[in-house]
Amino acid sequence: GGIITQTPKFLIGQEGQKLTLKCQQNFNHDTMYWYRQDSGKGLRLIYYSITENDLQKGDLSEGYDASREKKSSFSLTVTSAQKNEMAVFLCASSRDRANERLFFGHGTKLSVL
Amino acid sequence: GQQVKQSSPSLTVQEGGISILNCDYENDMFDYFAWYKKYPDNSPTLLISVRSNVDKREDGRLTVFLNKSGKHFSLHITASQPEDTAVYLCAAGTGGNNKLTFGQGTVLSVIP
Repeated sequence: GGIITQTPKFLIGQEGQKLTLKCQQNFNHDTMYWYRQDSGKGLRLIYYSITENDLQKGDLSEGYDASREKKSSFSLTVTSAQKNEMAVFLCASSRDRANERLFFGHGTKLSVL
Repeated sequence: GQQVKQSSPSLTVQEGGISILNCDYENDMFDYFAWYKKYPDNSPTLLISVRSNVDKREDGRLTVFLNKSGKHFSLHITASQPEDTAVYLCAAGTGGNNKLTFGQGTVLSVIP
């Protein structure tokens, strides 16, 4: 088995701040994802990456940057945190493009003061 | 707009009954359909999935029904138990492209 580790678990930021969330997986999976979870809105895809150094925009990419530095890690940057923003960011991975099963991390909870 | 929709935010079922969770989608190209389960403070995990070449798949107490013409799929849980209480997320995607689109989730509560 493998595991997806997201750091930090909790992130408190100030309005306008640039914040970075990190994700590591030891499944040796090709594809990694960042989803945002808001109450009543399900999971919305921010960015995904099908291999090292690849980056694909999801439906919610505006206001975010991402980086797939190596196969095992995928980081997400909130470029300018919005006041009173509160959401959970979930990282996931899947073996390859033909295997749709996603494995999720436990999430990073963001609060912006 | 919301490409994958779960119109019921919550559902309460008596223990032993059948839980029916519904999901509607808009994109004709979707050919992969899945249900994920999420406990509070835990990450979503895949429960069951189906491809568009079948209209039903059973796995123990779980059955997925797919109605392609109606752009609708559902999850039936028979003999519902309190431990089935969780958030259920439906998801759909296009084969060979792992860009899954999720619904908003339905909170299922199974009461003893």
